[in-house]
Amino acid sequence: GQNIDQPTEMTATEGAIVQINCTYQTSGFNGLFWYQQHAGEAPTFLSYNVLDGLEEKGRFSSFLSRSKGYSYLLLKELQMKDSASYLCAVRQGNFNKFYFGSGTKLNVKP
Amino acid sequence: DGGITQSPKYLFRKEGQNVTLSCEQNLNHDAMYWYRQDPGQGLRLIYYSQIVNDFQKGDIAEGYSVSREKKESFPLTVTSAQKNPTAFYLCASRSTDTQYFGPGTRLTVL
Repeated sequence: GQNIDQPTEMTATEGAIVQINCTYQTSGFNGLFWYQQHAGEAPTFLSYNVLDGLEEKGRFSSFLSRSKGYSYLLLKELQMKDSASYLCAVRQGNFNKFYFGSGTKLNVKP
Repeated sequence: DGGITQSPKYLFRKEGQNVTLSCEQNLNHDAMYWYRQDPGQGLRLIYYSQIVNDFQKGDIAEGYSVSREKKESFPLTVTSAQKNPTAFYLCASRSTDTQYFGPGTRLTVL
């Protein structure tokens, strides 16, 4: 089976940096993905990692350690519009099935 | 415009009625997926299809059915056998690396 864990909720201040962690246990690991989801809307793709290390895309970075079953999403220079849920998802094997965590609700305050 | 469309955005049905949710994509993607999201939870896979005329059950397929007669279309039927059909339903298609989501259909069964 799949087991993906993320904190339920986090709060951070506008302009600050926040790190959202994700741990997973899965068979046939084939990539870890991060999505942003605003309330009532569909998830939008942020980044993904297949190999260990850091991937940077503007204000967003994602890190992966396959040996530890661990990833994090780093958001810099937080803006109010970053208030959303952030979903961690693992892609499994050749069938390309995706398994999602429950999401981390990020509240950005002034 | 290239993308994924789902209709309608909001749908109300009486208990015991079957209902079909549409999903269309013009991204030329082979793989398509249906997920269900309940409040405060992540996405759970209902059905997926890797290619036309083929589909597989996901983790919560009971009470649902799908068809994949055309590459562009992957409709989901919520049958009366689904015990708790009220949820947010998301359709996605997959490129080489990741999934892209439609805007979702919020189904409420009265």
